[in-house]
Amino acid sequence: ELKVEQNPLFLSMQEGKNYTIYCNYSTTSDRLYWYRQDPGKSLESLFVLLSNGAVKQEGRLMASLDTKARLSTLHITAAVHDLSATYFCAVDMRDSNYQLIWGAGTKLIIKP
Amino acid sequence: ETGVTQTPRHLVMGMTNKKSLKCEQHLGHNAMYWYKQSAKKPLELMFVYSLEERVENNSVPSRFSPECPNSSHLFLHLHTLQPEDSALYLCASSQEWQGVEAFFGQGTRLTVV
Repeated sequence: ELKVEQNPLFLSMQEGKNYTIYCNYSTTSDRLYWYRQDPGKSLESLFVLLSNGAVKQEGRLMASLDTKARLSTLHITAAVHDLSATYFCAVDMRDSNYQLIWGAGTKLIIKP
Repeated sequence: ETGVTQTPRHLVMGMTNKKSLKCEQHLGHNAMYWYKQSAKKPLELMFVYSLEERVENNSVPSRFSPECPNSSHLFLHLHTLQPEDSALYLCASSQEWQGVEAFFGQGTRLTVV
């Protein structure tokens, strides 16, 4: 079965703390995507990870990909309230004809 | 402005009504998608169009009928919906339909009463 699992599904944290969101997937993938969604709004593309060992950083967010472990992480450094959102990972898998398979999302609440 | 525009943003319809959702992309992309986002469920891909031809239909009930008249416009025609069809319907586009980053519209919040 083609699956993408995120954890945690819900995270409440204080400003200034660090934390990591995990995205596991079940089969071979060529690309992994991270998206952000604010309440009532569209999905915004954050990162596209294309190869094993890829690391990308934008501000307080850093994403990495380990294709051997079939794992991606989204690390938040010194969180600020504006990062409160739901974060989704999505994977395109050869077994799904390269259609995106989505994780359930991680709802992140950062308290001032 | 995301480059992908959806209308209406909110829609309330009865189970016997017929309505349509509209999506327009200004990015010059060749592929367009309809997704359904329900509470506590992963995003569900409904339809994929590439160069105005449907390339994927993920077992969506026939009460949802897509139409892609050109590469910039995508419609989702709705008729005799059920309350469980209430959800956020998201349109997206990408340069190609396989293995590339997608850009999403704001979504239409649909409530079926």
